[in-house]
Amino acid sequence: EPEVTQTPSHQVTQMGQEVILRCVPISNHLYFYWYRQILGQKVEFLVSFYNNEISEKSEIFDDQFSVERPDGSNFTLKIRSTKLEDSAMYFCASRSGGLIPEQFFGPGTRLTVL
Amino acid sequence: AQSVSQHNHHVILSEAASLELGCNYSYGGTVNLFWYVQYPGQHLQLLLKYFSGDPLVKGIKGFEAEFIKSKFSFNLRKPSVQWSDTAEYFCAVIPILTGGGNKLTFGTGTQLKVEL
Repeated sequence: EPEVTQTPSHQVTQMGQEVILRCVPISNHLYFYWYRQILGQKVEFLVSFYNNEISEKSEIFDDQFSVERPDGSNFTLKIRSTKLEDSAMYFCASRSGGLIPEQFFGPGTRLTVL
Repeated sequence: AQSVSQHNHHVILSEAASLELGCNYSYGGTVNLFWYVQYPGQHLQLLLKYFSGDPLVKGIKGFEAEFIKSKFSFNLRKPSVQWSDTAEYFCAVIPILTGGGNKLTFGTGTQLKVEL
């Protein structure tokens, strides 16, 4: 069964450093998403991406964040200058086109900013 | 903006007890509704979903949920829980918007612990 994969599973970085979180969505899917879950809190939407552009973003997704689909298979989330409060689990999700909005989630990347 | 409320943050049950987790959402239009489960150390998995039709939906592992439109609710139920149901459960909503990106809005989650 196809699944969304994410790498790395755990990333530790120093405050102010850039990180890139990688996702490989399910191959025939057209819509891509990033969510995050700060420890003990709910899962929050960050950004959605369709047709090579951002379709919606939350207020969390400020200028420090960017997304890219560089090669038709990977979907990346970049944080330019990490802050302590960026420490969270980051989930990638994808869905196919059409009217069924079911999203399939990856296993997540735990980002720890020191 | 839509929101999702889960009233029970922590639930402790004995095996074979019945489960009902509450979920209410605030959005006046058409919605798609989901319950996700997150087992310890694992990623989010879809338990069940409601798109349209029969408001009583059945999911995996014996779970079911009932959509009551008049109450803006989508409560999750299981007649007899097992120790392996210990996990965190998230209710989520997608409002059906023309041209919308269909982002999921999640509730705060309910941590279920099932004791032997």
